[in-house]
Amino acid sequence: EDQVTQSPEALRLQEGESSSLNCSYTVSGLRGLFWYRQDPGKGPEFLFTLYSAGEEKEKERLKATLTKKESFLHITAPKPEDSATYLCAVQGRGYQKVTFGIGTKLQVIP
Amino acid sequence: EAQVTQNPRYLITVTGKKLTVTCSQNMNHEYMSWYRQDPGLGLRQIYYSMNVEVTDKGDVPEGYKVSRKEKRNFPLILESPSPNQTSLYFCASSLGTSGPSSYNEQFFGPGTRLTVL
Repeated sequence: EDQVTQSPEALRLQEGESSSLNCSYTVSGLRGLFWYRQDPGKGPEFLFTLYSAGEEKEKERLKATLTKKESFLHITAPKPEDSATYLCAVQGRGYQKVTFGIGTKLQVIP
Repeated sequence: EAQVTQNPRYLITVTGKKLTVTCSQNMNHEYMSWYRQDPGLGLRQIYYSMNVEVTDKGDVPEGYKVSRKEKRNFPLILESPSPNQTSLYFCASSLGTSGPSSYNEQFFGPGTRLTVL
């Protein structure tokens, strides 16, 4: 059974204070690892897909990296508008089911 | 505008009264899915569909039914709702689940908050 564990559950940063969110996963053959952002009361919004160990993707202040057992979402010089819950999900090869982690709730204080 | 729509957005019902939550997408996506989101448990997949007439169970399918008779619609049916199905439900769609990265990007609807008394 696929599993996704995200840490920390909550993170409070000062504006400009860089940090990383962790996503540890177990899956029988990785088809893709996904990062989403979710604002309160809204549906998740897609950020990145990573396919293989060593892959990196960037978008504005966010950078996602992938190893064989975990992924990191690095946030550089965050702003208050980056406050949200960040979700990690995996999909295994050979099937279409997607498994999400519980998420990391990020708060960036001005 | 490309979007996933869900109706209703809010619903309060009573135990045992059959209900349907509709989901529709206007992006010609093949893959559609239903999730429920509960505090401390995160997003859990209920059912998904690879294409018309092709559906499969996710992690928590008990008590739910789905159908995919048209590519754009994927309704979620609760034949006999119970209080433990009180939750926030999301429908999502994507082009497909293989190939370029855009195939895997899921677009989520705004959510349906269901309360079963």
